[in-house]
Amino acid sequence: NAGVTQTPKFQVLKTGQSMTLQCAQDMNHNSMYWYRQDPGMGLRLIYYSASEGTTDKGEVPNGYNVSRLNKREFSLRLESAAPSQTSVYFCASSEGWWGTGGSSRYTEAFFGQGTRLTVV
Amino acid sequence: AQSVTQPDIHITVSEGASLELRCNYSYGATPYLFWYVQSPGQGLQLLLKYFSGDTLVQGIKGFEAEFKRSQSSFNLRKPSVHWSDAAEYFCAVGATPNDMRFGAGTRLTVKP
Repeated sequence: NAGVTQTPKFQVLKTGQSMTLQCAQDMNHNSMYWYRQDPGMGLRLIYYSASEGTTDKGEVPNGYNVSRLNKREFSLRLESAAPSQTSVYFCASSEGWWGTGGSSRYTEAFFGQGTRLTVV
Repeated sequence: AQSVTQPDIHITVSEGASLELRCNYSYGATPYLFWYVQSPGQGLQLLLKYFSGDTLVQGIKGFEAEFKRSQSSFNLRKPSVHWSDAAEYFCAVGATPNDMRFGAGTRLTVKP
């Protein structure tokens, strides 16, 4: 039961280099997310994909792009890495989108183990 | 703008002692409320959530949390802490997944 798998686990980049963080889930979930976690701060949403074929910006999208390759995979790309993008990146997935108005259609989000990225 | 405050950056408790982690939020309406736990080197795991109804919610691993609307708080409690509870705990609020806000986290150390 792999759940959410992220690759790589660690990466060091030079400023200006590009890279793609990979995320795959095997739970047949519809929604997927990318977060970053910085010291002294909680997780912040970078991008999300409510369902296959859709992507939307989260709280901190600048400097990133995403691709929902298929239902299983959701990748995050840094086109020109900057030191400010040094962070731990988490991918997550959930079965569905939330309801509103007090609906309890929330389905738990499952997180990967993270990618620790350092940009020098 | 919505925000989440976890006033305690680091808490140390003795094994077997009770625990309360504080969470205060600012939000336009009553949001959905969550507590997550993160063990070292791991992703986040959902402990419990509040959507509506009974303001005392039970979660996994013996945790519970109480929603107090008048105080905009959602504090996490456990009657007796185990060494395996040492981790970082995050409170989160939001009405939809794309507007969730996480607190900065409280690191829990458990003394033997």
